[in-house]
Amino acid sequence: DAKTTQPPSMDCAEGRAANLPCNHSTISGNEYVYWYRQIHSQGPQYIIHGLKNNETNEMASLIITEDRKSSTLILPHATLRDTAVYYCIVYNQGGKLIFGQGTELSVKP
Amino acid sequence: DVKVTQSSRYLVKRTGEKVFLECVQDMDHENMFWYRQDPGLGLRLIYFSYDVKMKEKGDIPEGYSVSREKKERFSLILESASTNQTSMYLCASRPPGFSGNTIYFGEGSWLTVV
Repeated sequence: DAKTTQPPSMDCAEGRAANLPCNHSTISGNEYVYWYRQIHSQGPQYIIHGLKNNETNEMASLIITEDRKSSTLILPHATLRDTAVYYCIVYNQGGKLIFGQGTELSVKP
Repeated sequence: DVKVTQSSRYLVKRTGEKVFLECVQDMDHENMFWYRQDPGLGLRLIYFSYDVKMKEKGDIPEGYSVSREKKERFSLILESASTNQTSMYLCASRPPGFSGNTIYFGEGSWLTVV
């Protein structure tokens, strides 16, 4: 099963870019990388996903390395409301959604 | 708007009770999932289903069972609730395949077993 590893916590200054890394060294060629975040223990909120190419939407950018063994989620201008736990997920062939431990991002004024 | 609805947001049950957690999605998705979330442990997969009447064990299936009689509904069953099953339970759904479809989560069900 493809698994992900993330740092347990990170800090970021308000207005600065937050770069959240994820390692998924056993990812298969047709598996996507998803990022979600969870605020106040509500249901996880979708942020972005990608396969090989870098992706950008209104919330964030996703950078995937050429060998696809790791990725970075970038929040370009972090705000206090971005304080949350961020999960990197790989969808695997067996149908499971395997979560990492998540990174607790604290955005500080 | 796409929606995954979990029937109960907060429940308190007694040890030994049979507990049903219901999840309904309105997106005609084949794949549905049940997770539990505990402090320091992240989200752990209990069971998933890729079609009606089909189910697969996740990483922590012990003490749980599931039912998928209709495509839109995936139920998690605690046959005899125990205090170590006190947790937040999350349901999710997504279409099948590898096309990178978005996964949708419910808001969670907080279960306390006393």
